[in-house]
Amino acid sequence: AQTVTQSQPEMSVQEAETVTLSCTYDTSESDYYLFWYKQPPSRQMILVIRQEAYKQQNATENRFSVNFQKAAKSFSLKISDSQLGDAAMYFCAYRINTNAGKSTFGDGTTLTVKP
Amino acid sequence: SQTIHQWPATLVQPVGSPLSLECTVEGTSNPNLYWYRQAAGRGLQLLFYSVGIGQISSEVPQNLSASRPQDRQFILSSKKLLLSDSGFYLCAWSRDPTKSSYNSPLHFGNGTRLTVT
Repeated sequence: AQTVTQSQPEMSVQEAETVTLSCTYDTSESDYYLFWYKQPPSRQMILVIRQEAYKQQNATENRFSVNFQKAAKSFSLKISDSQLGDAAMYFCAYRINTNAGKSTFGDGTTLTVKP
Repeated sequence: SQTIHQWPATLVQPVGSPLSLECTVEGTSNPNLYWYRQAAGRGLQLLFYSVGIGQISSEVPQNLSASRPQDRQFILSSKKLLLSDSGFYLCAWSRDPTKSSYNSPLHFGNGTRLTVT
């Protein structure tokens, strides 16, 4: 079974600084996708960034970027120039392209942004 | 554009009462549909998923059931609620990744906070 581990239950960052959230996963598949979702206090789950496993280039979306290390099965999220609105719970998720595309989620990291 | 509606937003029900949560998707056809439950401060646990009308797969044995009577409608039900059914329930849809090369993420509804008393 696939598992996703987020080893940091809580993280904090000063406004305008950079923070990295960790995620590791376990799989025997070679073709899969990885995602980071954000859940603010409103509890609406929002996609932050996605990465295809076959792509070597790390995905980037504005201030959000990932460090994808396929051999190490690591998928960390870097948030640059942190803003107060970035405060949320962040979930790492894994999905393969078979089996109805079910996604497996980590337990999340709560990010606090200090002004 | 695609939208997903989930209701109600909040529900308080006594133990032993029935449950019906509904989710509908607009702007797409033949989506994969999912019901997740989130315990407080935790990740998401997949409860049910559906790849088509009438096709339901259950991930964990429990007191709940799901149905998909129409292509873009997904319903979570229970005949008799238990205290342990309390939680935050999220409906989500995605394009079928086995039929499309598009890397479709999950698109979530706003969730239902269920409290069983």
